[in-house]
Amino acid sequence: KNEVEQSPQNLTAQEGEFITINCSYSVGISALHWLQQHPGGGIVSLFMLSSGKKKHGRLIATINIQEKHSSLHITASHPRDSAVYICAVRSETSGSRLTFGEGTQLTVNP
Amino acid sequence: EPEVTQTPSHQVTQMGQEVILRCVPISNHLYFYWYRQILGQKVEFLVSFYNNEISEKSEIFDDQFSVERPDGSNFTLKIRSTKLEDSAMYFCARQTGHYGYTFGSGTRLTVV
Repeated sequence: KNEVEQSPQNLTAQEGEFITINCSYSVGISALHWLQQHPGGGIVSLFMLSSGKKKHGRLIATINIQEKHSSLHITASHPRDSAVYICAVRSETSGSRLTFGEGTQLTVNP
Repeated sequence: EPEVTQTPSHQVTQMGQEVILRCVPISNHLYFYWYRQILGQKVEFLVSFYNNEISEKSEIFDDQFSVERPDGSNFTLKIRSTKLEDSAMYFCARQTGHYGYTFGSGTRLTVV
């Protein structure tokens, strides 16, 4: 079993829809990251969470430490949101490295 | 925060050749990382580098790999004798703040 599981693997939405991407992990963590990867391959950090909720523009990230679960929400989705969204965790016992999920491919159609 | 710049953006090399991938963090940060992503797969940790020494490495990071910070600003990953399975996107990253990360733009390595 992977330490970090994301769902869904692929998600297609219409412009304007509310989107949720989920991440579950099996280890104790000190931080969880949500990352965005565009077709060119570059990775951009969206959020780092250790508790609660963070909001940046149309993006909201939440984490429930007890349930080992995090969600990334996109409100009023737009075609430019199309990308791969990746959850990665910093384990309490694995130094400072990140362990990555497989990613969720999001496609937002106009 | 300044970006992390990686060069080259794309490199094609023959199997058995040595390659050096470069990263310029442009700062005095202490913690740096190399990750790789084979096409269609998830990102994998290779090595972390703290205060000019390797602090952690994965099982992928065998004797074919080495890292250096030769001049205090550049940060390099060397693959001594490339294999076809080394074809991947390689990312350097630096730690920002307590647990934050900034990733480089990546180098796509193609071994033929």
